[in-house]
Amino acid sequence: EAGVAQSPRYKIIEKRQSVAFWCNPISGHATLYWYQQILGQGPKLLIQFQNNGVVDDSQLPKDRFSAERLKGVDSTLKIQPAKLEDSAVYLCASSFRGETQYFGPGTRLLVL
Amino acid sequence: AQKVTQAQTEISVVEKEDVTLDCVYETRDTTYYLFWYKQPPSGELVFLIRRNSFDEQNEISGRYSWNFQKSTSSFNFTITASQVVDSAVYFCALSDLYSSASKIIFGSGTRLSIRP
Repeated sequence: EAGVAQSPRYKIIEKRQSVAFWCNPISGHATLYWYQQILGQGPKLLIQFQNNGVVDDSQLPKDRFSAERLKGVDSTLKIQPAKLEDSAVYLCASSFRGETQYFGPGTRLLVL
Repeated sequence: AQKVTQAQTEISVVEKEDVTLDCVYETRDTTYYLFWYKQPPSGELVFLIRRNSFDEQNEISGRYSWNFQKSTSSFNFTITASQVVDSAVYFCALSDLYSSASKIIFGSGTRLSIRP
């Protein structure tokens, strides 16, 4: 069974630029999550989708971050404009019914 | 509020030593899941184990074992005869048991270094 796929794996941008990350969850997993992991910390949930509806986006900085999950499968997370403090690893995870989350390899973002 | 505490920031041991990673959690829920994830240098979070709050039976999987004690709100992880490949950051986590919209709360992680 294929795992969670994410791209790109690495991205370097300058502040105020925009960036987008893509995630393809495990087939059949209805729930998809985006996390931000700053160096030395545990992952922090940004947004959670159930199919193509948002369940929780309470910690998403909505002035600059946006996410969508069209057709309830793939998802994209966008940052516009990026700030220095957005440098982090962005992890995507999926779960079948919300019990165990399986994570992708992550995208390492560096904002200069 | 839910909280997971991993008091050990970093641990370094020599290969073949046994090592225990501590995890203490707080929750008002009577039913919940506990997890351990491994994050090697490649960055991917690898699922290791899930326990539900009904099942306090300890579990062993090869060199890995987990000790769940509800009385002390702890879910400790022991690696026996450690190997260099065990070097990684290990996260303990907590979530609701029955909600399909459950959120995982992660601890801050313990960085484990195994020296040859």
